[in-house]
Order: sequence, then structure tokens, then C-alpha cells
Amino acid sequence: GAVVSQHPSWVICKSGTSVKIECRSLDFQATTMFWYRQFPKQSLMLMATSNEGSKATYEQGVEKDKFLINHASLTLSTLTVTSAHPEDSSFYICSARGRREGIYEQYFGPGTRLTVT
Amino acid sequence: GQNIDQPTEMTATEGAIVQINCTYQTSGFNGLFWYQQHAGEAPTFLSYNVLDGLEEKGRFSSFLSRSKGYSYLLLKELQMKDSASYLCASMDSNYQLIWGAGTKLIIKP
Repeated sequence: GAVVSQHPSWVICKSGTSVKIECRSLDFQATTMFWYRQFPKQSLMLMATSNEGSKATYEQGVEKDKFLINHASLTLSTLTVTSAHPEDSSFYICSARGRREGIYEQYFGPGTRLTVT
Repeated sequence: GQNIDQPTEMTATEGAIVQINCTYQTSGFNGLFWYQQHAGEAPTFLSYNVLDGLEEKGRFSSFLSRSKGYSYLLLKELQMKDSASYLCASMDSNYQLIWGAGTKLIIKP
């Protein structure tokens, strides 16, 4: 399967600061990247979808000014949590989707655990 | 509306076989995915079915019936490390994954 990397794997920050999370597809071109959030013992929650070179599409209830997404290339997307607060503490997972041999495939990064103190 | 149903939790014994069912209703269909997620980790890809029938991959097999909107994941020779959540997801006409809530599989010795 394809490899998607995510950095950092965990981060602790103070309330009010911003945190940037990078997601890279290492061996395929990701035309679309997804950002998910998962709270303990809950399902994945899609936050936003981004296509390379376009503005991200945010799910209802997700503040686009707070969660800034940039999909600058076919291999890199970033999520910036601005002015983080303790309630933003969660497991953030990116997922990259690309087409190989005519079939869409979607792979996940290892996730970033964010703790806001 | 779009909907994915799978059992919340299942329990099985080490060495046995377990089948996790998933039914789906999505706007269009471009394939059915199964992922495994261990606690505290991101999901990992297990299988993809777009045609009817059974796909076998080692101890894991996945089945799809498009006419019934039904899939199952079959795990054989269960090992303790198979204890995880198993996520079923259907890809709709916009190539978006619609996720089930996941089935927590508990393996007992």
C-alpha cells in the first residue's frame, strides 16, 4: 500500500498558540486530501476536504478560520490549528486519495495527537 | 440519505473465525473499503471491493454484494493482535468515503 506521513506525531502547546501539522503522500500523487479528527472512543469525523490548488471544503460546524488548510502540491497538505484551546485537543489524521491503475485509493497518515494545555 | 451500518462490538476466541457485516446506502457507489484501527492509532487499509464476490488476502477476506448493499470482512485464525476496531466505508459518486461507526472486535484467549 501507499505511504502517507504526518508530522509531528504528537505535540503539546499552550492555549492561544498555533500548531501546524503536515501531511505528505510519499509514493503517489494525492489529488485530494482529507483531514479527520477523532476524539477518544469515537468515530472519525471528517473536518475538511482539499483538492490540490483549490480552497478546502469544510464540513458543517468546522470553523475554516480556525482550522486553516493548505494543499499546495500533489504530495503535501497542511492543517494549522490557530489560537488553539484545550477543547481542540484531539487526534488529527490526514488521508490522501489518489488514482492508481484507474482505481481510487485512500490511505491514512499515522495521525497527530494534539494536547493543548 | 447516506448510511453505513455495522455492529458496534463483537467478541471472538483466539484461533476462531469471525465475520463482520456491513450494509451501506450511499449516493452512487465506487467501492467498499475496510480499515483496521488499533486504539490510539490511525486506520490502516485492509481491503477494497468494487466488484461482487470474495477477495482473499491472507487471513483476511472481504466480500461484496452490490445488489444487496452488503459487505463482510472475514478474519480467520484470529490472533490477539487482531483486537481492534474495523471500519467499513463506502465510496460514493463523488469519490468521498462515507464511514461506518466501526466494529470493536474483542479477542479472548
